[in-house]
Amino acid sequence: DIVLTQSPDSLAVSLGERATINCKSSQSILYNSNNQNYLAWYQQKPGQPPKLLIYWASTRGSGVPDRFSGSGSGTDFTLTISSLQAEDVAIYYCQQYYNTPTFTFGPGTRVDIK
Amino acid sequence: EVHLVESGGGLVQPGGSLRLSCAASGFNFNIYWMTWVRQAPGKGLEWVANIKPDGSGQYYVDSLKGRFTISRDNAKNSLYLQMNSLRAEDTAIYYCGREGRYMGAFDVWGQGTMVTVSS
Repeated sequence: DIVLTQSPDSLAVSLGERATINCKSSQSILYNSNNQNYLAWYQQKPGQPPKLLIYWASTRGSGVPDRFSGSGSGTDFTLTISSLQAEDVAIYYCQQYYNTPTFTFGPGTRVDIK
Repeated sequence: EVHLVESGGGLVQPGGSLRLSCAASGFNFNIYWMTWVRQAPGKGLEWVANIKPDGSGQYYVDSLKGRFTISRDNAKNSLYLQMNSLRAEDTAIYYCGREGRYMGAFDVWGQGTMVTVSS
């Protein structure tokens, strides 16, 4: 099974500053035949369902602000919020779909305002 | 507008059963893989099960095989999760989700339904 770990567990960032979240996979989730990384990022605000932010490791979902960006390849990935806004307070999860039709999520990273 | 609405959650005793439903609207339900994801109180997300567009294949997280059954009725635009032999550790919010076409991420989520297993 593919295991995802995230770091840090939580972070507090000042408004307008950059927030960086890391996700590491226990094995490569780069599919060589199409050169795609099978990784997504989700945002979950309190009392709400998750929302898809990023898929294919770096493609923004529909309506996602461009301050959110994803990067990385193989086993190491990063979600960056370039200028943190108050509405970005949430828990962020990475997810692999390399093992489709089965999936795993990372444990989550909580982002707060400093 | 695309919508998923779960129902059927509630309080059930250990060893009991419950059937969750998810009503889909605003999209062509019968061409999408559909999935269930759960979240225990204060915990992270756990993928539970998914099903092919025509219902011909179902997949489960290993820890739940044999107790939960996913199904769908494309004529009713509905997804189901039959949960048997429920345990306290099954207590969670259960979300239904749509798997995006040509990519495995979940691009639409319902609001979730709460299942509490307790005596």
